Amino acid sequence: DAGVTQSPTHLIKTRGQHVTLRCSPISGHKSVSWYQQVLGQGPQFIFQYYEKEERGRGNFPDRFSARQFPNYSSELNVNALLLGDSALYLCASSQGTGNIQYFGAGTRLSVL
Amino acid sequence: EDKVVQSPLSLVVHEGDTVTLNCSYEVTNFRSLLWYKQEKKAPTFLFMLTSSGIEKKSGRLSSILDKKELFSILNITATQTGDSAVYLCAVTSNFGNEKLTFGTGTRLTIIP
Repeated sequence: DAGVTQSPTHLIKTRGQHVTLRCSPISGHKSVSWYQQVLGQGPQFIFQYYEKEERGRGNFPDRFSARQFPNYSSELNVNALLLGDSALYLCASSQGTGNIQYFGAGTRLSVL
Repeated sequence: EDKVVQSPLSLVVHEGDTVTLNCSYEVTNFRSLLWYKQEKKAPTFLFMLTSSGIEKKSGRLSSILDKKELFSILNITATQTGDSAVYLCAVTSNFGNEKLTFGTGTRLTIIP
């Protein structure tokens, strides 16, 4: 079975632009969470979606938004990019609350 | 706010040595503690701990949780160069979502 897949693997944008990152969960998993990991730090929670509804939101500005589709895949959108948004964006999926989250390989975003 | 502190921040040992990685936490309404190994991008799951005093083992790796003193340790015996990675500790709470709160990680380097 395929694991969590994310696309693209790398992305270079300039300040002020918009970006969309995509995530496909493990088959059968209904929950998707997004994390931001800057160099030298642990991942920081951005959003969690379960059955297409937002279940949790971290301390990120409104420039960050996400959604989950009927097939449980998810998109993370970031508007008006800042240099500080440069990071590895990780997606994790699980069967639901209390279950293990499995991570994808991430999207490396560089904002110039 | 939930908090996870890992120590040491980095560790360099020789192949064959035994290492102990530490994780202390503060979390409201604790549900579970998880250990992940991150080599390049995707954190890979190692253990999930929910009960005090019960050791979990997988090959040369083992982990235990102390809910009274609010810490966990991850032991790796007979280390190999393939164990070189960042080891992340994370906690979850019973607040209706799957948010993982991570520590900054311990960077382990194994010298052949």
